[in-house]
Formats: sequence, structure tokens, C-alpha cells
Amino acid sequence: QMTQSPSSLSASVGDRVTITCRASQSITTYLNWYQQQPGKAPKLLIYAASNLQSGVPSRFSGSGSGTDFTLTISSLQPEDFAAYYCQQSYTVPFTFGPGTKVDVK
Amino acid sequence: EVNLVETGGGLIQPGGSLRLSCAASGLTVSTNYMNWVRQAPGKGLEWVSVIYVGGNTYYADSVKGRFTISRDTSKNMVYLQMNSLRAEDTAVYFCARMLVPPGISHVTGNDYWGQGSLVTVSS
Repeated sequence: QMTQSPSSLSASVGDRVTITCRASQSITTYLNWYQQQPGKAPKLLIYAASNLQSGVPSRFSGSGSGTDFTLTISSLQPEDFAAYYCQQSYTVPFTFGPGTKVDVK
Repeated sequence: EVNLVETGGGLIQPGGSLRLSCAASGLTVSTNYMNWVRQAPGKGLEWVSVIYVGGNTYYADSVKGRFTISRDTSKNMVYLQMNSLRAEDTAVYFCARMLVPPGISHVTGNDYWGQGSLVTVSS
């Protein structure tokens, strides 16, 4: 089981945003983060907890291990208003978190 | 360039069957970990099934015994056979490739996704 908090947040351009994801048991560092815009396929941002996927801006970063993980957006940009999901790839089933919606304050 | 294209979605009555196809280009399905992820209208992402490089297959509890993932290496395609469909299977179904980064030797996130195929189960 994966949980995320908060389920939604309101922020302004330039804000630092932090989203947390918690696993019900240790998944070492096999935690991935996605961004999804409405009507689009998800986009991989971070893989294996802290590795930035190719082409993803450096304002996105991930940290954590074991059961507790964090996605940080250092300075929110207009294109970052979206839904964010974590997913564990440690073992099947490769469960997703319930998501965090980031909208405009 | 990698491209994944899902086809086969549509409107189906409860209890019916449907087969989704995922045509891959720019990658070889037999040497990649391929999976299906779905998203019900207005809801979050739900992992459905994976086929490993070695051929092992795994399923979410919600679809186990009803859905079957397979691949055709000659056509470079992945399939999801869905039987005994229920209203709660209504969703957009995405085909995706799981990244295995050099030096990690373990599946990580889905780096390539199709555009999705809508399956609606309703009478």
C-alpha cells in the first residue's frame, strides 16, 4: 500500500512544493514519481527515489529510502500545475499512490 | 524514437470480452518489461499487469483470473485480453515500458507510455 500527502495543495508560481509518499513496508529505493496533465499520459520525473529522468528540469528532485519518500519542486512553474503520483517498483503489484493535485492558489 | 500505440478499446457489455493491443516501435517488446496501467474516469492510476523479459506475468488482484497479458515477438506487440468485464473495469488503459537503468538492474518507472485506449463497460 502506498499513501501520499497531501491529496491536494494550492500554490503560487515560485513556491517550493513538497509531496510525500509512504509505503506500508520497506521498498528500499524503488520509488518513482510521475506528473500527469489532464487528458495526457503520465510522465516519469524521478526513478529509483532520487534519479532525475532524462529531459526533466532540475527543479524536480526526489529523496528517501525504506518507507518514506519526498518529491520537491524547488520553484513552481506554470507548467507544473498537475497531478503527481508515486509508484513502487520493488515488487508486484507495482502499486501507485492515490495522487496529489497541485493547483493555483 | 519510441512509440507505443494502443488499440482495441470501446463499449462492451458487462460480462463481455475485449482484447487491447499495444504496437511498439523503437523498442523490442521481448527485451523489455512491458505493463498495462489503467485510469478510471476522474480517478488515479492503477497498475494492472506486467510481462517480464523472461515471460513471467503478474496481475493486480482486481483483474487476476480475468485478464491475460501476452506478447507477439514477431509483430512486436503486447496484448491485454480482458474477460468477464465489469463496470469497474471502465477506464483508459495505457501500455508502458518499465525502465531498467544501467547499473540498477531492477525495474524502475515507466518511461514510455502510449496515448491510452478507453474501455467502457456498460449495458
